[in-house]
Amino acid sequence: QSVLTQPPSVSAAPGQKVTISCSGSSSNIENHYVSWYQQLPGTAPKLLIYDNSDRPSGIPDRFSGSKSGTSATLGITGLQTGDEADYYCGTWDNSLSAAVFGTGTKVTVL
Amino acid sequence: QMQLQESGPGLVKPSETLSLTCTVSGGSVSDYYWSWIRQPPGKGLECVGYFHYSGNINYNPSLKSRVTISVDTSRNQVSLRLTSVTAADTAVYYCARRWLQNGSWFDPWGQGTLVTVSS
Repeated sequence: QSVLTQPPSVSAAPGQKVTISCSGSSSNIENHYVSWYQQLPGTAPKLLIYDNSDRPSGIPDRFSGSKSGTSATLGITGLQTGDEADYYCGTWDNSLSAAVFGTGTKVTVL
Repeated sequence: QMQLQESGPGLVKPSETLSLTCTVSGGSVSDYYWSWIRQPPGKGLECVGYFHYSGNINYNPSLKSRVTISVDTSRNQVSLRLTSVTAADTAVYYCARRWLQNGSWFDPWGQGTLVTVSS
């Protein structure tokens, strides 16, 4: 089981905003940077956010990341049908001495 | 643009060894960190480990006794070897480049290859 907890699902209408939380602890999120990944159905994960809030080139600014204490958040504004996917947070865990991922959140566009 | 392509047997028998290869184009395997990440059907992501040609290696503690990651510089490939497999090792296996800056992250990813453990 993952040490990073995400809500199983979130949903909103097209054009609206959703936020996805990633809850961890002092052994992971509080002391390490967080990344976020988008996994469209049947495809490999794709990097959306690194170092808490930086976007790789080609990722639209509709996607944003933030971190506070033991939690991180991914925000998606101007929701589109193409955003329907599973989203995962990731970071390093000192206790496990391993990279860890969140439980994953399914985004549904109503 | 760097691209990764996993390959290997899609079916492995219980107690045998799973061996996968990731062919890298657009970069040298000796210059970067590499990771294998797996995803059981319908479940989340698990990092198997990472490897750097300098000898900086880390394996997931839950798999450490069974896993080996290595690189073949002549073929520009990254390999994964997992011994004594069970049904719990059935998953899509991805290779990815691991970045290190302030934090660490994975990009790009290969398309993944499904490995089923069954007799």
